[in-house]
Amino acid sequence: GAVVSQHPSWVICKSGTSVKIECRSLDFQATTMFWYRQFPKQSLMLMATSNEGSKATYEQGVEKDKFLINHASLTLSTLTVTSAHPEDSSFYICSARRSGVPYNEQFFGPGTRLTVL
Amino acid sequence: SQQGEEDPQALSIQEGENATMNCSYKTSINNLQWYRQNSGRGLVHLILIRSNEREKHSGRLRVTLDTSKKSSSLLITASRAADTASYFCATPRADDYKLSFGAGTTVTVRA
Repeated sequence: GAVVSQHPSWVICKSGTSVKIECRSLDFQATTMFWYRQFPKQSLMLMATSNEGSKATYEQGVEKDKFLINHASLTLSTLTVTSAHPEDSSFYICSARRSGVPYNEQFFGPGTRLTVL
Repeated sequence: SQQGEEDPQALSIQEGENATMNCSYKTSINNLQWYRQNSGRGLVHLILIRSNEREKHSGRLRVTLDTSKKSSSLLITASRAADTASYFCATPRADDYKLSFGAGTTVTVRA
């Protein structure tokens, strides 16, 4: 149990276009999901926290108008990178916290590799 | 911001040898977690150790926690080629308990 999927696993897009990444908890409900960004050979940096039924909370320095987050249901959160530029190329990883269990138990998706040309 | 610092940054060992990596953190915590990440993949949770625990085992993994020194270590015994991955420690942030990840240690196990 506790499987989190991401779609797509990789995407290549042109500069200026928008890209949507989905994060799904397959066998549990997640009131909270987290979006991370990871540059090559670096650690994960938390971008934002996605809360079902309410607005996402963004980390300092992360533009909320550029990285749109929607948590429409207890099993799905989406991250849309708007007007993508080459510097947005990165590995995006989501995680989901199972509802009703300790805060620190998170389950991670396999990641989405975004390349902006 | 990241709280954890890990060393070494990279580690290369022969199959069968043990691998040890360390994590230091800055603020008080109630638990510390270790994750593994294979190249280009997501994170896999390895082990969680609570602040009132000093040592914890899971299979070939042994984790220690020294809250007085604000440090933790992960030991992989009898390493295998499949253990080749990056290993991250993660601690909950003091203000909101969201996870903060260390810089990671890249382990290469040579056959």
